[in-house]
Amino acid sequence: GIQVEQSPPDLILQEGANSTLRCNFSDSVNNLQWFHQNPWGQLINLFYIPSGTKQNGRLSATTVATERYSLLYISSSQTTDSGVYFCAVREGGKLIFGQGTELSVKP
Amino acid sequence: ETGVTQSPTHLIKTRGQQVTLRCSSQSGHNTVSWYQQALGQGPQFIFQYYREEENGRGNFPPRFSGLQFPNYSSELNVNALELDDSALYLCASTPAISGANVLTFGAGSRLTVL
Repeated sequence: GIQVEQSPPDLILQEGANSTLRCNFSDSVNNLQWFHQNPWGQLINLFYIPSGTKQNGRLSATTVATERYSLLYISSSQTTDSGVYFCAVREGGKLIFGQGTELSVKP
Repeated sequence: ETGVTQSPTHLIKTRGQQVTLRCSSQSGHNTVSWYQQALGQGPQFIFQYYREEENGRGNFPPRFSGLQFPNYSSELNVNALELDDSALYLCASTPAISGANVLTFGAGSRLTVL
């Protein structure tokens, strides 16, 4: 099956800093999502981005499907950005998740 | 508010007991899937239901079973609970069985097995 790896596993930022999270996957995919899991466990869809670039406010994502990676950019980070960020790719009817990047934004 | 609601939010069981977790999907979302998320890990696929039939299963034993109902609700049942079943259980729904669709997750049910 497809393997999904995320880096870094942990990240500590000062409020206002920018960051880049990476997701590598082992095979070609046509469905990739980025999620933010808040401290209460809720998985929030950030982007559906099988290829190309999308932006939503301070967040943007780029997937280069031919090179099997996706990047999530967070600019001007805020304390509310803290939590775990997951990327997930679809294989058949299921999503395969990476291990996540735990982000902590300090005031 | 994602339109996918799960209950209960938290529960505690003892080893050997049985548990039923519930999920209510958005109207028109006829595909529902369940995931188990152990502490510090990414969610793992348990199974998927489409039009009340199981049509995909991950690496979970038969004591994990499910049901899907015509009113877009579903259940996850776990028998003979083990300590390692302690996890966050997430339900996700999508309008279609395949294709490039976005899964929408509920807030989860956090199960602790003592």
